[in-house]
Amino acid sequence: QKEVEQNSGPLSVPEGAIASLNCTYSDRGSQSFFWYRQYSGKSPELIMSIYSNGDKEDGRFTAQLNKASQYVSLLIRDSQPSDSATYLCAVKGAQKLVFGQGTRLTINP
Amino acid sequence: DAMVIQNPRYQVTQFGKPVTLSCSQTLNHNVMYWYQQKSSQAPKLLFHYYDKDFNNEADTPDNFQSRRPNTSFCFLDIRSPGLGDAAMYLCATSRDRGGSKNIQYFGAGTRLSVL
Repeated sequence: QKEVEQNSGPLSVPEGAIASLNCTYSDRGSQSFFWYRQYSGKSPELIMSIYSNGDKEDGRFTAQLNKASQYVSLLIRDSQPSDSATYLCAVKGAQKLVFGQGTRLTINP
Repeated sequence: DAMVIQNPRYQVTQFGKPVTLSCSQTLNHNVMYWYQQKSSQAPKLLFHYYDKDFNNEADTPDNFQSRRPNTSFCFLDIRSPGLGDAAMYLCATSRDRGGSKNIQYFGAGTRLSVL
């Protein structure tokens, strides 16, 4: 079992709709969870961090964490073509940050 | 105002010819990381420096080395690049290593091609 698992996609969403990205992790002791956005050929850019159960909202982005289910998700409301990218889920264990392989998201105009 | 700067952005080297990639930071962070990312894969941690303390990942090949001469700079040396080493190399920094809220900030990356 991979430490951090994501559906690689591609996930295709119409412009203006809600994009929902999911991630599961195996280390129950994990305390920190991050979503990075990576455009093709570019480096990862942090868009959300979440540390406690529940929802955290920042503009059009909402991160959701459920530690009992070892599940973290990212919702993107009012999706825009500029949101088309690969979204990497990253989970921090004792010291190391472990990345999922990413979900490729395409927003269709 | 780039905070983590990688040079060069693109590097072409020949099979077996040593190559060095550079990373500098203006954040005065204690920790600097090197990741390798191949196409459609997750970034893979190669090693990190906590201040001057070098921490190698168990599965990082000996072909990969690193130097951190001061707080601001860190180098990745590939002693004898093979075709399988062609990848994007990402440098990242964080204020500290432990603790739950330390965020890693990435440079723009260096794309390495091996001919």
